[in-house]
Amino acid sequence: GQQVMQIPQYQHVQEGEDFTTYCNSSTTLSNIQWYKQRPGGHPVFLIQLVKSGEVKKQKRLTFQFGEAKKNSSLHITATQTTDVGTYFCAVSGTYKYIFGTGTRLKVLA
Amino acid sequence: GAVVSQHPSRVICKSGTSVKIECRSLDFQATTMFWYRQFPKKSLMLMATSNEGSKATYEQGVEKDKFLINHASLTLSTLTVTSAHPEDSSFYICSARGSGGYQPQHFGDGTRLSIL
Repeated sequence: GQQVMQIPQYQHVQEGEDFTTYCNSSTTLSNIQWYKQRPGGHPVFLIQLVKSGEVKKQKRLTFQFGEAKKNSSLHITATQTTDVGTYFCAVSGTYKYIFGTGTRLKVLA
Repeated sequence: GAVVSQHPSRVICKSGTSVKIECRSLDFQATTMFWYRQFPKKSLMLMATSNEGSKATYEQGVEKDKFLINHASLTLSTLTVTSAHPEDSSFYICSARGSGGYQPQHFGDGTRLSIL
């Protein structure tokens, strides 16, 4: 079946450093979504990418969809302690979503 | 924004008990609701997809007689863990999405189930 891998699994950064997580699929994707889950919380929708090569920005977050629509990345510039959490990509099928393995980010003050 | 309410947030009960978890979309009609299970520090594992008025679609390996799902209306889905055992202890999260195109999921706060 379809697999969605994320790397790295964990990342510890010093506050102010940049952070990137990558999402890779074994199949071509129609779209990809990104979610953030704070410790003890539930996933919160961040953004959706649909077009090949698409780049979207939300303040310090930059999301990119690969040209082949098989991978995506989330980049955070100058991390803050509020960025702590697990970032998941999710790919949408006809009726369901498959979540990536997630990248857990810790930001050291 | 879209709000999904999940209740209860925490359940502690004895082995053999059946537990019902409710998931409600408060300000939109959810044509589809999803039930996930999440182990500590792990990703979300889809258990089943629930569409209003029809039988739920269960993922491979999920026992439909163990995890009963009912999607009675466009705003309510329930998950009942029947005759729960300690191995059913987990974090269960529901999500809901509206109709049309690629819609984002809106998640409930989750239910932490502990079976003694």
